Amino acid sequence: QITLKESGPTLVKPTQTLTLTCTFSGFSLSTSGVGVGWIRQPPGKALEWLALIYWNDDKRYSPSLKSRLTITKDTSKNQVVLTMTNMDPVDTATYYCAHIPRAPTILFDYWGQGTLVTVSS
Amino acid sequence: DIQMTQSPSSVSASVGDRVTITCRASQGISSWLAWYQQKPGKAPKLLIYAASSLQSGVPSRFSGSGSGTDFTLTISSLQPEDFATYYCQQANSFPLITFGQGTRLEIK
Repeated sequence: QITLKESGPTLVKPTQTLTLTCTFSGFSLSTSGVGVGWIRQPPGKALEWLALIYWNDDKRYSPSLKSRLTITKDTSKNQVVLTMTNMDPVDTATYYCAHIPRAPTILFDYWGQGTLVTVSS
Repeated sequence: DIQMTQSPSSVSASVGDRVTITCRASQGISSWLAWYQQKPGKAPKLLIYAASSLQSGVPSRFSGSGSGTDFTLTISSLQPEDFATYYCQQANSFPLITFGQGTRLEIK
């Protein structure tokens, strides 16, 4: 059974760096074709893809946020970490991590419960 | 950038109704389209992938069709648990993965 869970701060100040951790079970990020992605959703708004990382350490970022994002993985810990620099109130959102079953098809078949991050001074 | 436009943005329907939601891509995306269902306070759930393939465990009243730029999600007979927001997602224009703006399905 695949499960994912996001963790990190619920409140960050403007200009700070956000670090979110996705801890997963039921699959390995060393398995060929597998990936993990991050998606966010501002309150009452649509979903926005942020970044993904594959089993082979291939990393992809949303072009509009690329300069602020870094995604890494720790296969031994079954974790994926997303950092976002220079946080702004418009970055207030629920952040989800999700499992990608097989590259190169990008679809998210298992999702974490999400974590709400509020950006405010 | 490929834009995904869903219509309608909201729809009211009754239990037992047949409902169709449309997603249009600004450029052709072959069959690189997925549909998700999201209930309030919950994570999205994958329903359909590759435009028409039903995800394991999803009821057969859900179906998807289309290719190129025009896609549809159809619920053949609405059940109470189907009232939610639905999103389409394209993954043809890598590195940009985009979602539609969502369609809210409400009880009439």
